[in-house]
Amino acid sequence: SQQGEEDPQALSIQEGENATMNCSYKTSINNLQWYRQNSGRGLVHLILIRSNEREKHSGRLRVTLDTSKKSSSLLITASRAADTASYFCATESQAGTALIFGKGTTLSVSS
Amino acid sequence: DTAVSQTPKYLVTQMGNDKSIKCEQNLGHDTMYWYKQDSKKFLKIMFSYNNKELIINETVPNRFSPKSPDKAHLNLHINSLELGDSAVYFCASSFRIVSTDTQYFGPGTRLTVL
Repeated sequence: SQQGEEDPQALSIQEGENATMNCSYKTSINNLQWYRQNSGRGLVHLILIRSNEREKHSGRLRVTLDTSKKSSSLLITASRAADTASYFCATESQAGTALIFGKGTTLSVSS
Repeated sequence: DTAVSQTPKYLVTQMGNDKSIKCEQNLGHDTMYWYKQDSKKFLKIMFSYNNKELIINETVPNRFSPKSPDKAHLNLHINSLELGDSAVYFCASSFRIVSTDTQYFGPGTRLTVL
């Protein structure tokens, strides 16, 4: 069954603005990952946050995790046109041997 | 060098035909996966192999048969193609079959069944 649900489904912003995407999941997790998919390409790993972490940074990316609310957010600061892509959260399957992806948030950054 | 490669990139075929998609990774990973992404971008795991052994076989019609001749290759053969098989199929690999390992995705194969 699908684990993660991203919100919003689509987001349009101007260059320089911040973009926030949210992910909610249903069952307990050990970690959560975020991936990016550019149009017509494969997914690229962005960041992993473990269940005992509340916040993690990587360059212009900031990920938070609230296990009590079963939710995570991805913040992209000072967005650029090149950030235009779909962003997916992924959680582990029950057996921990596969990733279960959400439906993604499509981000459009216009210059 | 491409880390995870797939061939072909595009595949257009008629209903009822049999087709194969090939995947190769040069990362030295032990685990490889096949995912299906539908028209709404929903990405779903189909199979995973670890050291050439099938680990996960999600609810996928048995018309789909993965084959792993060695750790670097995982091919997907599809028999009797149906309209609903139209999708983008992604191959991925990871160092181990644990959820904390990053998965590296290929560029995808867009399959269109007419």
